[in-house]
Amino acid sequence: NAGVTQTPKFRVLKTGQSMTLLCAQDMNHEYMYWYRQDPGMGLRLIHYSVGEGTTAKGEVPDGYNVSRLKKQNFLLGLESAAPSQTSVYFCASTEAETLDYEQYFGPGTRLTVT
Amino acid sequence: GQNIDQPTEMTATEGAIVQINCTYQTSGFNGLFWYQQHAGEAPTFLSYNVLDGLEEKGRFSSFLSRSKGYSYLLLKELQMKDSASYLCAVRGYGNNRLAFGKGNQVVVIP
Repeated sequence: NAGVTQTPKFRVLKTGQSMTLLCAQDMNHEYMYWYRQDPGMGLRLIHYSVGEGTTAKGEVPDGYNVSRLKKQNFLLGLESAAPSQTSVYFCASTEAETLDYEQYFGPGTRLTVT
Repeated sequence: GQNIDQPTEMTATEGAIVQINCTYQTSGFNGLFWYQQHAGEAPTFLSYNVLDGLEEKGRFSSFLSRSKGYSYLLLKELQMKDSASYLCAVRGYGNNRLAFGKGNQVVVIP
């Protein structure tokens, strides 16, 4: 049981390049989330999904797109990377409507945009 | 919307007790959560409170007062491995996402 995995672990992009971050979970969780974490800013929600085929905007969605074509996968896309998107990106998942609503996090993707 | 406030950093001695506070303002409330995050790693779940009072889990306890919009995490018998950032998060009523505070960095010294 791998839990939540993220690909890639590290990436350096040039301004204007595009990329896709992949999150996969093998716990059959309904809900999945993408966060970014910057120094002094805590975790901020980018987009989330409450089930296969659904997505919704979080706190900081601009410049990102997402897709949830399969229940176990949640993709985060950057169409035209900007230096302001340099950050650590975490994916998380949780079961729907559990009592303690524990979110399980992936190991993170460290992205640098030059 | 939700507003969550935590102090940024504290230092404590190995073996001591440390209390990490969190205050929040939210339009609806359906739980307060504490996560631990070691440097360079992912956050991991510590505790959950939805009713007023104290929840104890080994060396860690978490307290909630909904009327005051206040929670604290108590770490007892501090160990060096407890050096980490502690994140407070709130779930609004009827929604399925968390709003996180900026985290409180705890440094444990010998």
